[in-house]
Amino acid sequence: EVQLVESGGGLVKPGGSLRLSCVGSGYTFESYTMNWVRQAPGKGLEWVSCISSSSSYMFYADSMKGRFTISRDNAKNSLYLQMNSLRDEDTAVYYCALGFDSPSFDYWGQGTLVTVSS
Amino acid sequence: ETVMTQSPATLSVSPGERATLSCRASQSVSSNLAWFQQRPGQAPRLLIYGASTRATGIPARFSGSGSGTEFTLTISSLQSEDFAVYYCQQYNKWPPMYTFGQGTKLEIK
Repeated sequence: EVQLVESGGGLVKPGGSLRLSCVGSGYTFESYTMNWVRQAPGKGLEWVSCISSSSSYMFYADSMKGRFTISRDNAKNSLYLQMNSLRDEDTAVYYCALGFDSPSFDYWGQGTLVTVSS
Repeated sequence: ETVMTQSPATLSVSPGERATLSCRASQSVSSNLAWFQQRPGQAPRLLIYGASTRATGIPARFSGSGSGTEFTLTISSLQSEDFAVYYCQQYNKWPPMYTFGQGTKLEIK
């Protein structure tokens, strides 16, 4: 069974940094592109970033470019999101998501909440 | 950037009836369109991809149609568990880019 488990969320002050993690299991982690998607409280879904299976390419939504860095460690079946210069508007639940059997996202983690507040 | 617009924002339908949700793209996305269901407190669940292909395990009462800029999700006979928020998403294969609509809340009438 495919499972994705995020961790690392919490309360951080504006301008601060946070690193999120996602561990994948039940499939060959190193073979799949991985994504981060976020959802602000009471709002819709927003794609954040993706990284290819071998880390050959990374892409970001425009509003995250230069502040967020996606990475992965295939030996640890882990995906990361380093978030710097955090703003109030980055407050959201952050999900890792996988396109395993579709070109979209057919597996999601349970999400981890990031709150940016002074 | 392709903007996805869903309508209506809220749809009130009685159990057992049919629900029709719409999604419009600001430019053609071909058939690179997915639909998600999100229940309160849960992660989104993929229902449809390729505009009309049901994801694994999705009941046949969910169907998708359309191509280019106009898409529809139809739920043929609403069950209690179908009342949720639905999102459409366009996906661009290269470079990878994903844009969601703002969502349609399907509520019990």
